[in-house]
Amino acid sequence: DSGVTQTPKHLITATGQRVTLRCSPRSGDLSVYWYQQSLDQGLQFLIQYYNGEERAKGNILERFSAQQFPDLHSELNLSSLELGDSALYFCASSVRDSPYNEQFFGPGTRLTVL
Amino acid sequence: AQSVSQHNHHVILSEAASLELGCNYSYGGTVNLFWYVQYPGQHLQLLLKYFSGDPLVKGIKGFEAEFIKSKFSFNLRKPSVQWSDTAEYFCAAVGARSGSNYQLIWGAGTKLIIKP
Repeated sequence: DSGVTQTPKHLITATGQRVTLRCSPRSGDLSVYWYQQSLDQGLQFLIQYYNGEERAKGNILERFSAQQFPDLHSELNLSSLELGDSALYFCASSVRDSPYNEQFFGPGTRLTVL
Repeated sequence: AQSVSQHNHHVILSEAASLELGCNYSYGGTVNLFWYVQYPGQHLQLLLKYFSGDPLVKGIKGFEAEFIKSKFSFNLRKPSVQWSDTAEYFCAAVGARSGSNYQLIWGAGTKLIIKP
């Protein structure tokens, strides 16, 4: 158990819908990263928050947004969903804001868009 | 653009065989390298990392990796694998802090199956 929790584990929805994925970092970690893993592809970095502020942005679509709350949990919002958004979404946390630090991963949320 | 390549997507070995998983990166300057592992049903976890110094890095569970700058490689090795090494292995890299470079870039992963 990494100490990072993600809910829900599985999500099935239809095209055009909006969903929210939730992540709680390890106790004491201030940084939260979101990744997308599509079939047979590596992890694609989406966005990072550190202590409530956006710190780095990767290949995140405009239909996607995220935020980190004062209690440090984070939510990833995916809207106007398309079939191609079906993927495993991972959240990771680390103590500081640098990607040099070890990241601790959650179990992921598997999103299926029908 | 920076990239990380893992050329072997699937590797099948017998127990006690030696393992080498390839990882190549395309960064031009300073680079920091990682290997993460995901065992079946478990979360991704750090196996080992290279920042500087001795290019031969030792990690958990008997794994090691060698940074060869001239070949832009960071291959993962283990002299004798066990059935419990069955997992998916990911190589990742991050360059020096500079704008959009400052994020982990991941390889596609290598699924390793060890036959008992």
